Amino acid sequence: EAGVAQSPRYKIIEKRQSVAFWCNPISGHATLYWYQQILGQGPKLLIQFQNNGVVDDSQLPKDRFSAERLKGVDSTLKIQPAKLEDSAVYLCASSGEGSGNTIYFGEGSWLTVV
Amino acid sequence: SQKIEQNSEALNIQEGKTATLTCNYTNYSPAYLQWYRQDPGRGPVFLLLIRENEKEKRKERLKVTFDTTLKQSLFHITASQPADSATYLCALGLDRGSTLGRLYFGRGTQLTVWP
Repeated sequence: EAGVAQSPRYKIIEKRQSVAFWCNPISGHATLYWYQQILGQGPKLLIQFQNNGVVDDSQLPKDRFSAERLKGVDSTLKIQPAKLEDSAVYLCASSGEGSGNTIYFGEGSWLTVV
Repeated sequence: SQKIEQNSEALNIQEGKTATLTCNYTNYSPAYLQWYRQDPGRGPVFLLLIRENEKEKRKERLKVTFDTTLKQSLFHITASQPADSATYLCALGLDRGSTLGRLYFGRGTQLTVWP
């Protein structure tokens, strides 16, 4: 079974530029999550989708971050304009019927803002 | 304020010994608690889940306990091996429904097992 796919793996941008990350969850998983993990900290949820609807985006900085999951499968997370403090790993995860209580994480997209 | 604290940032033990990692929380009422393993440059990998009405769970060399009175979970790796070296994260889940919601993660404990 293929895992959660993310791209790009690494990205370096200057502050005030924009960046987009893509995620393809495990086939059939209805729930998709984007987490932000700053170096030395645990992951923090940014947004959770159930199919193509948003379940929880209370911690998403909506003035600069946006995310969509238009067809209920792939998702894109965008940051515009980026700040230095956005340097982190952006982890996509998915869960669904048949996965039990397990959330499967991708390898992450590493962002450095300079 | 709400806190999740994992014992010491780093734990070093000798191969063959039992590693014990601690997760303490305040001002949360979790429905379940999960433990994840994270290797450098990789995403977290799920290990075990324990629910609020369970005291102990085991899986091969892993054991988790959950004490909702003490607000603490202990994670044990018996007969530890150098391959167990990684960062271990505890995460709290508050949802009591069928869909897995937000997880609240601790900072993690970096375990090193030396030969």
